[in-house]
Amino acid sequence: GDSVTQMEGPVTLSEEAFLTINCTYTATGYPSLFWYVQYPGEGLQLLLKATKADDKGSNKGFEATYRKETTSFHLEKGSVQVSDSAVYFCALSDQNSSASKIIFGSGTRLSIRP
Amino acid sequence: EAGVAQSPRYKIIEKRQSVAFWCNPISGHATLYWYQQILGQGPKLLIQFQNNGVVDDSQLPKDRFSAERLKGVDSTLKIQPAKLEDSAVYLCASSDRYSGSGNEQFFGPGTRLTVL
Repeated sequence: GDSVTQMEGPVTLSEEAFLTINCTYTATGYPSLFWYVQYPGEGLQLLLKATKADDKGSNKGFEATYRKETTSFHLEKGSVQVSDSAVYFCALSDQNSSASKIIFGSGTRLSIRP
Repeated sequence: EAGVAQSPRYKIIEKRQSVAFWCNPISGHATLYWYQQILGQGPKLLIQFQNNGVVDDSQLPKDRFSAERLKGVDSTLKIQPAKLEDSAVYLCASSDRYSGSGNEQFFGPGTRLTVL
C-alpha cells in the first residue's frame, strides 16, 4: 500500500542554518503531497502542498518540490528561526479518490537554538 | 471561519473504563476523519465519514472503538473498554473536496487520552 518515509529526528540546528528534511513516498497512483507542521501544544497545520510532478509548494520560507522520478518531497528552508521549532510531517493523499485519506510519515522533530 | 472543534482537550481514565470524544467540523465540510496519533508517530486514520456514511473504517478496532456522525455534522468517537495502548492524541479533521482547498484536511486541536 501507499506509504511515506521521512528523516528521523530529532534535528537540532542553530538559528539561520539551512534546513533539509528528507521525505520519500510509495504510491500506486498520482498522489498529492503535503507537509504538515505541529507546533508545541497546537494541532496539525498544513504548511505546503504540491498536487503534481514538478510542482513546488512554498509557505513561510519553506519549499518542497514534487519529484516523481525520485519519489521525493524534501522540505527545505534557507534560514531557520527559533519559531520554526516544531514537528514536521510529510504526507500523501490519493487525489483521485472521492474522499481522500491522508497517509502520514512518522514525523521529524526540529529544534532551533538561538 | 471557525476551525474544527474538539472536546475534551484532555482525558485521563483507568483501563477498562469508557470514554467518548466529540468533534464539530468546519461548517459545510462533508468529509470527517478521526485519527489516532500515538506519541512519536504520525497520525493514523481510524475512520472516515462522507456526510453520515462510513467511507473507510478498515483500521478501526471495532471490538472496542465505535464512531457515529448523526445528521452528517458532529461526530463522536467512543472507546469501550479502554486499554493502556489506547493512550494517544485523537485528532478530528474535515475536508470539502468541492471547495477551493481541494482535498486539504483541516485538523482540530486533538484530545489527549491517558489510560492508566
